[in-house]
Amino acid sequence: KAGVTQTPRYLIKTRGQQVTLSCSPISGHRSVSWYQQTPGQGLQFLFEYFSETQRNKGNFPGRFSGRQFSNSRSEMNVSTLELGDSALYLCASSFTGTGGSGNTIYFGEGSWLTVV
Amino acid sequence: QKEVEQNSGPLSVPEGAIASLNCTYSDRGSQSFFWYRQYSGKSPELIMFIYSNGDKEDGRFTAQLNKASQYVSLLIRDSQPSDSATYLCAVTGGGNKLTFGTGTQLKVEL
Repeated sequence: KAGVTQTPRYLIKTRGQQVTLSCSPISGHRSVSWYQQTPGQGLQFLFEYFSETQRNKGNFPGRFSGRQFSNSRSEMNVSTLELGDSALYLCASSFTGTGGSGNTIYFGEGSWLTVV
Repeated sequence: QKEVEQNSGPLSVPEGAIASLNCTYSDRGSQSFFWYRQYSGKSPELIMFIYSNGDKEDGRFTAQLNKASQYVSLLIRDSQPSDSATYLCAVTGGGNKLTFGTGTQLKVEL
């Protein structure tokens, strides 16, 4: 069974540019969440999508956006990149949209973004 | 007060010993609790999750949850050098939004 797949794995962008990251969840999983990990701030929640609807959003500026497609694949976009956006961006996949028993959450390998 | 607190470590244990990792959380409405292991330069790998009070065992790993004390722990028996990593505690409040602690660095020494 394939895991969570994220593309691209590594990318370098210039300040002011925009970037789109892609995530394919585990087959059958309908919930996709995005996280940013930096040495200073740790792992922080960006947003979650379930059945193409954003269910939850973290405390990030509007430059960070996302969407989910009917096949549960998700993309996140960061516009007007800043140096501080350099981070590991992680996608997490889950079967259900609710917590509780059996709702395990798995991470992809991540996309390393460097903004120069 | 941070929502999820962990001792950053490093926690050093000799090979073969039991490593005990602790985590406290502030939101009494938290429902599910996760332990992830993260090697340097890699993504978090799910080790265990627990949602009921008590112990849950999986191989060398045991997760313990005490909701009254808002405390969750992870015990690693027969620690191996390959267990050396950062261990992240995370909680959810019913959805899939994980709130993470800052992680505890574990070093298993030969």
